Amino acid sequence: EDKVVQSPLSLVVHEGDTVTLNCSYEVTNFRSLLWYKQEKKAPTFLFMLTSSGIEKKSGRLSSILDKKELFSILNITATQTGDSAVYLCAKILLSRRQTGDMRFGAGTRLTVKP
Amino acid sequence: EAQVTQNPRYLITVTGKKLTVTCSQNMNHEYMSWYRQDPGLGLRQIYYSMNVEVTDKGDVPEGYKVSRKEKRNFPLILESPSPNQTSLYFCASSPNPVRLRYGYTFGSGTRLTVV
Repeated sequence: EDKVVQSPLSLVVHEGDTVTLNCSYEVTNFRSLLWYKQEKKAPTFLFMLTSSGIEKKSGRLSSILDKKELFSILNITATQTGDSAVYLCAKILLSRRQTGDMRFGAGTRLTVKP
Repeated sequence: EAQVTQNPRYLITVTGKKLTVTCSQNMNHEYMSWYRQDPGLGLRQIYYSMNVEVTDKGDVPEGYKVSRKEKRNFPLILESPSPNQTSLYFCASSPNPVRLRYGYTFGSGTRLTVV
């Protein structure tokens, strides 16, 4: 089964805190892993990770993939109230038909309090 | 502006009354997909399409139909909606996903309530 498991399911922090969100996945048919941010609308793309050990950064957000241990983390430093959202992790499958479908985790709901 | 457009944004309907949710993209993407999002379950794929006239089932296809007659459009059809299809629906598109570099582009979502 192509499960993607995110933890924690929800998290409440205060502005300025640093948070780490976790995503673990099963190895079958793995191609890449993506992180999305979802506020009260459509998910927006954050990162795509294909190679192990290479950190991707965008401002206060960073992410890294560990293909040996089958997980990824998303770090947010100096959190702001605007970071409050659901963060989704998705695995891209490389199926026999090369369709590249995505499997999503249930998401982590982050709430940043002033 | 490059985008995926879904309509309607909100819809309340009654059990058994056929409905269609439209999805259109202006990026010449080959791949399009429909997801439903329910609390605690994340996004689950309903159907996807690799190109015109090529569609296939995702994880939760029961009760849904799709068609891909043109590259830009990928409507989701509920022939006989039931209350368990009450959900938030997203359409997404991308270039060939095997060559994906920047993730899928999502539409703004359609919140469907079936009473």
